[in-house]
Amino acid sequence: EDKVVQSPLSLVVHEGDTVTLNCSYEVTNFRSLLWYKQEKKAPTFLFMLTSSGIEKKSGRLSSILDKKELFSILNITATQTGDSAVYLCAVEEWGETSGSRLTFGEGTQLTVNP
Amino acid sequence: GAVVSQHPSRVICKSGTSVKIECRSLDFQATTMFWYRQFPKQSLMLMATSNEGSKATYEQGVEKDKFLINHASLTLSTLTVTSAHPEDSSFYICSARAGAGGQPQHFGDGTRLSIL
Repeated sequence: EDKVVQSPLSLVVHEGDTVTLNCSYEVTNFRSLLWYKQEKKAPTFLFMLTSSGIEKKSGRLSSILDKKELFSILNITATQTGDSAVYLCAVEEWGETSGSRLTFGEGTQLTVNP
Repeated sequence: GAVVSQHPSRVICKSGTSVKIECRSLDFQATTMFWYRQFPKQSLMLMATSNEGSKATYEQGVEKDKFLINHASLTLSTLTVTSAHPEDSSFYICSARAGAGGQPQHFGDGTRLSIL
């Protein structure tokens, strides 16, 4: 069965700390891995990763994919209270009949305290 | 760019009512739209995938007669929860994607449905 596992499920840090969120996956026809941030409402897109070893960066956030180990990490440096959210990892896979679809992990609840 | 609008954001209605939720891509054409359901403290569960102009593909365990999906144009998909019951209460989220794949899905703000 295809699955996406995130760890930790919950994390509490102080402002200024650096955090690393983990995502491992087992899917049949991997196409890409995506990271989303979910606050009160719907997820907002952060990164899409398709190739191993190429870091994607956006401000204090960065992410990298290891397709050999079936693993990705999301790093947040110098955390701020506004980074508090659930971070979702999703893997896009391709099926001949179902087309392209996302399988989501359970998410990591990040709380950044002042 | 890549804005998806979902309406309404909140619905409270009596058991037996049918509820329609709209999902619009505002600044791009969405070849494919997706409907998800999310329970408290849980992740998103895909309900169905719809491509413009064709029938939706439902995930295993999702009743297609209960959750009617229409994707009549490249910017609009609708989900109708027919004869809703309390167990249908949930957070429903749509997403839209341009192209067949290789592009990220962009999500609407979700609809919180409460059936009394």
